Amino acid sequence: GAVVSQHPSWVICKSGTSVKIECRSLDFQATTMFWYRQFPKQSLMLMATSNEGSKATYEQGVEKDKFLINHASLTLSTLTVTSAHPEDSSFYICSASISLAGGEQYFGPGTRLTVT
Amino acid sequence: DAKTTQPPSMDCAEGRAANLPCNHSTISGNEYVYWYRQIHSQGPQYIIHGLKNNETNEMASLIITEDRKSSTLILPHATLRDTAVYYCIVRVTGNQFYFGTGTSLTVIP
Repeated sequence: GAVVSQHPSWVICKSGTSVKIECRSLDFQATTMFWYRQFPKQSLMLMATSNEGSKATYEQGVEKDKFLINHASLTLSTLTVTSAHPEDSSFYICSASISLAGGEQYFGPGTRLTVT
Repeated sequence: DAKTTQPPSMDCAEGRAANLPCNHSTISGNEYVYWYRQIHSQGPQYIIHGLKNNETNEMASLIITEDRKSSTLILPHATLRDTAVYYCIVRVTGNQFYFGTGTSLTVIP
């Protein structure tokens, strides 16, 4: 149980275009979803926290107009990288939590974004 | 910001116990300690978590010191498939995880 999927698993896009990444909880309802970014040989960096039906809370230094997060249902959150540039190339990982009280986060397999 | 510090790397012989330390000296009384691992280019995998008591599951044991300022993850019989980066995380009040740099564990045949 507690499986999180991401789509696509990898994507290549041209500079200036937008890319949408989906994160789904397959067998549970996720009250909270989190988005992380990971550069090569670095740790995961939390980008934002989103609760279903609410606006996402972004971490300091993360541009909310560039990284649009939508959490429209208890099983789906999307991250849209707008006007992507090569420096946005990274591994994007989502996670989901069942309880508002916290607990484990279940991580997706990640999406590799390459901006050319 | 991450509230944990871990050694950057460790080696362990296959079949031996792997003991991975973590310092979290600024942990608050109601903050849990979580351990995850990440195999290259995959999402992190949950291992175990605890508050103040020692915990054990099918994957590992977690030993938390009485003052809660440090903990140790124990993989009792390491296999080659346990080679990964291991993250010790303190779950803060808002339920966020702030990952530190982790420990890269290499299990040697």
